Amino acid sequence: DTGVSQDPRHKITKRGQNVTFRCDPISEHNRLYWYRQTLGQGPEFLTYFQNEAQLEKSRLLSDRFSAERPKGSFSTLEIQRTEQGDSAMYLCASSLVGLVGYTFGSGTRLTVV
Amino acid sequence: AQRVTQPEKLLSVFKGAPVELKCNYSYSGSPELFWYVQYSRQRLQLLLRHISRESIKGFTADLNKGETSFHLKKPFAQEEDSAMYYCALNSGGSNYKLTFGKGTLLTVNP
Repeated sequence: DTGVSQDPRHKITKRGQNVTFRCDPISEHNRLYWYRQTLGQGPEFLTYFQNEAQLEKSRLLSDRFSAERPKGSFSTLEIQRTEQGDSAMYLCASSLVGLVGYTFGSGTRLTVV
Repeated sequence: AQRVTQPEKLLSVFKGAPVELKCNYSYSGSPELFWYVQYSRQRLQLLLRHISRESIKGFTADLNKGETSFHLKKPFAQEEDSAMYYCALNSGGSNYKLTFGKGTLLTVNP
């Protein structure tokens, strides 16, 4: 297990298209987080899962965003009808309940043109 | 509302000089603070957390509740310390939802 993997690394899409990102956490980690980072900003919390349950969603996560974590393993983040404002780095992180500190993935950079 | 402020976007020092990266927070509860670091072309990683009062790579940070600060310090900067540093506040209790500052880019010149 080499850490948190995210796929793809880069995605360019046209406005209005749907995109889906995947995150594979460290296998024994039961918590999984999604963050978004725009230029000049720190990461902003989007949502998090404990096992397969989505326990919290940020108000940043509009109805166009949906995240899943089937079977408590990998997670997907889908953005429907993308807008230029969705252009950002999408970061995934995982952790184990009771441990402090995340392990981050390398991120997926989305560009909406 | 919780907030983390890193007042310096850029900080440049010479090798061997002391460095201090500032972080101030706003939080109504009992704060739990972290420093994360991102080296060039690497992923974001945890540097240290206030609760463990540890020193990592020569860096220390002390939580000052009176001044609501958690500044990161190192007495003698090294070139390999050049990186982006983010201060983060656990605003989610046991959920560990983090609120990050905007980051400070530290450059250590030879």
